[in-house]
Amino acid sequence: AQSVTQPDIHITVSEGASLELRCNYSYGATPYLFWYVQSPGQGLQLLLKYFSGDTLVQGIKGFEAEFKRSQSSFNLRKPSVHWSDAAEYFCAVGGLNTGTASKLTFGTGTRLQVTL
Amino acid sequence: GAVVSQHPSWVICKSGTSVKIECRSLDFQATTMFWYRQFPKQSLMLMATSNEGSKATYEQGVEKDKFLINHASLTLSTLTVTSAHPEDSSFYICSARDRGRTLNEQFFGPGTRLTVL
Repeated sequence: AQSVTQPDIHITVSEGASLELRCNYSYGATPYLFWYVQSPGQGLQLLLKYFSGDTLVQGIKGFEAEFKRSQSSFNLRKPSVHWSDAAEYFCAVGGLNTGTASKLTFGTGTRLQVTL
Repeated sequence: GAVVSQHPSWVICKSGTSVKIECRSLDFQATTMFWYRQFPKQSLMLMATSNEGSKATYEQGVEKDKFLINHASLTLSTLTVTSAHPEDSSFYICSARDRGRTLNEQFFGPGTRLTVL
């Protein structure tokens, strides 16, 4: 069965500081990995995704994530956090193709608070 | 591209009434749509997978008679919460998969906040 673990429920960082949100996954085949951001009362916005190629992927809003197969991790990073980054962040894993294991499994989310 | 809309964005209803939520893919055709439920400060839980022209597949523990799903066209899926009760109050999010893409990517709608009084 596929699963995603986000070990940090809540993280607080100062504006301008660097950020790393952890994500560990369990998947039996080649995973398709995603990071989404959700502002209060809003839907999900895709930050970035990965399934092959360069293990360091760039996303929107200055975010990047690194895929480490040996550690089954896909951690999200940002060098300098802005107050507007305060939101809930979800990591998700699914199958690569539409024909098999097409469901997405989400982690429990990490709430990011940014202090000024 | 790949925009998904939901209507309404929020709804308040009385206990015992039924509520219909629409999910539309605006610029692509979606053979598959997904319905999620999200309780406050929790993650998204998949309720069901909706395939155009066929019956939806419900996740374990989701009452199919309670949450009726119809996917009558390639751009529209509806979720009807029948005889709603306060415990059905939640944030409902749909997503859609573009039939023109082979990779497993879902595009999410903005969500619908349901409050049952």
